[in-house]
Amino acid sequence: GENVEQHPSTLSVQEGDSAVIKCTYSDSASNYFPWYKQELGKRPQLIIDIRSNVGEKKDQRIAVTLNKTAKHFSLHITETQPEDSAVYFCAARGSGAGSYQLTFGKGTKLSVIP
Amino acid sequence: NAGVTQTPKFQVLKTGQSMTLQCAQDMNHNSMYWYRQDPGMGLRLIYYSASEGTTDKGEVPNGYNVSRLNKREFSLRLESAAPSQTSVYFCASSDGTSIEQFFGPGTRLTVL
Repeated sequence: GENVEQHPSTLSVQEGDSAVIKCTYSDSASNYFPWYKQELGKRPQLIIDIRSNVGEKKDQRIAVTLNKTAKHFSLHITETQPEDSAVYFCAARGSGAGSYQLTFGKGTKLSVIP
Repeated sequence: NAGVTQTPKFQVLKTGQSMTLQCAQDMNHNSMYWYRQDPGMGLRLIYYSASEGTTDKGEVPNGYNVSRLNKREFSLRLESAAPSQTSVYFCASSDGTSIEQFFGPGTRLTVL
């Protein structure tokens, strides 16, 4: 099955700096890569996603890049703000048909220091 | 729309007790999922239901059973709870068009 590795597990940045979180996946047939943000005590919520036919996607201060050859994808947050502090999860949709199963990384706890 | 709802929010069980976690969605989604979340482990899929009438095992199904009651509802049952099942349980749903999974608020379960 699919295996997703996520690094780093914790990340501290100064407010206004950029943050980068990296993930690798094992199944070359995976075709969908979402990123979820989870605030303390809350449910995970989708913040951005990318499909395998696209190399980069941007939404305001958040961008995701995908390198299919190397089987890795990254989340970039620019001009970080205290409200960006949360746990971020990457995920990959494997090649199983029909159910859109997601395999998640173990998460990155981002702390933005004012 | 309420989205995905889960009951209860919190539950404490003794080892060996049984209980059912309930999940419902009002987005007319075909697929539903149960995950457990443990510190440092991310979200791990327990069971999923691709469509009404079908269920399949995920990564960590041992000790759990599920029922897809209808298109809206998907329940998770612990027949004989163990301390290793202490976790936060999330239900999610998705449809065939967007793939995005929408999560419920979670159930925090403690097994003593």
